[in-house]
Amino acid sequence: AQTVTQSQPEMSVQEAETVTLSCTYDTSESDYYLFWYKQPPSRQMILVIRQEAYKQQNATENRFSVNFQKAAKSFSLKISDSQLGDAAMYFCAHNNNNDMRFGAGTRLTVKP
Amino acid sequence: EAQVTQNPRYLITVTGKKLTVTCSQNMNHEYMSWYRQDPGLGLRQIYYSMNVEVTDKGDVPEGYKVSRKEKRNFPLILESPSPNQTSLYFCASSPSVHYGYTFGSGTRLTVV
Repeated sequence: AQTVTQSQPEMSVQEAETVTLSCTYDTSESDYYLFWYKQPPSRQMILVIRQEAYKQQNATENRFSVNFQKAAKSFSLKISDSQLGDAAMYFCAHNNNNDMRFGAGTRLTVKP
Repeated sequence: EAQVTQNPRYLITVTGKKLTVTCSQNMNHEYMSWYRQDPGLGLRQIYYSMNVEVTDKGDVPEGYKVSRKEKRNFPLILESPSPNQTSLYFCASSPSVHYGYTFGSGTRLTVV
């Protein structure tokens, strides 16, 4: 079964700076999907960005981008120009055949 | 508005008293799933459903039941709740594994 590992329980970044959150996963499949979700204090789970494994090009959504390294099974999230509203728990997830697995999460603090 | 609706948002109950957490989606999604979120463990899948009358166990199904009699509804049933089921629960739906899940607002359950 696939597993997802987020090795950074907590991270902090200065407002307007850039931060990268790490995620690795383990799977035997070649076709799958990867996601980053944001969970602010409201506890709502919000999809930030998704990546299809068969696409080599890294996904980008405004200030959010990923560095997808398929051979290394790595899927990190880069947040540019960090804002106070980016403070949240971030979860990495791997989905294959409706078996979506989540990492333990990284709590991001943004310092003004 | 396209959404997943869970009720209740908060629930305190006593050990052994049967309860149901309701979940409904208005997006005609095929896939629905229940997760529980615990600190340091991320989200773990309890049960999922790929269509009406089709359900399957996730990683932590013990002590839970589900049913999918209609496409839009996917209730979570705790027949005899125990304190180790105290958690934050999320219902989610998706049209396909490609797109990730849309989550409900969560149910904070406390079993005393």
